Amino acid sequence: QKEVEQNSGPLSVPEGAIASLNCTYSDRVSQSFFWYRQYSGKSPELIMSIYSNGDKEDGRFTAQLNKASQYVSLLIRDSQPSDSATYLCAVNIASGTYKYIFGTGTRLKVLA
Amino acid sequence: KAGVTQTPRYLIKTRGQQVTLSCSPISGHRSVSWYQQTPGQGLQFLFEYFSETQRNKGNFPGRFSGRQFSNSRSEMNVSTLELGDSALYLCASSLRGSGYEQYFGPGTRLTVT
Repeated sequence: QKEVEQNSGPLSVPEGAIASLNCTYSDRVSQSFFWYRQYSGKSPELIMSIYSNGDKEDGRFTAQLNKASQYVSLLIRDSQPSDSATYLCAVNIASGTYKYIFGTGTRLKVLA
Repeated sequence: KAGVTQTPRYLIKTRGQQVTLSCSPISGHRSVSWYQQTPGQGLQFLFEYFSETQRNKGNFPGRFSGRQFSNSRSEMNVSTLELGDSALYLCASSLRGSGYEQYFGPGTRLTVT
């Protein structure tokens, strides 16, 4: 089992809809969770961080964390074509030495 | 505040050569992490430096090494290049370390021929 798993997609949503991106992780003691957006040919850009169970909202983005079920999700409301990118989930794995593990990313396509 | 900078942006090297990549973190950030990104493997953690000390290391061979200077700038070195080392090398800086928010530079695209 991979330490951080994401559906590779592509996930296609119409403009204005809610895009829901999911990520599961294997390490039960992980404490820090992050979502990055990466446009083709560019480097990852931090969107959200979340550290405790529940929801965290920032503009059109909401991160949701459920440590008991070991998943973290990202909701994008009112999706825009400019949101079309690959979304990377990252988890700070605390077993042994701390390290940052990325999922392989979900490609999102927002259709105009 | 200026972002993370990486030099050079593009490199072409021959198998067997060595290469040094440079990263300047955001001002005030003491943690610098390095990652390799390839289409097949995604983003893989190489190592993290914090206040000139290597704090974490990923599962890469000893050909990959790094260091950090007192001004927090970091360099990564790859010796005896192999074709499989062709990748985008990304550096990320963090105020508090790799357990917290990281901010990526634009990357160095390395091609080994």
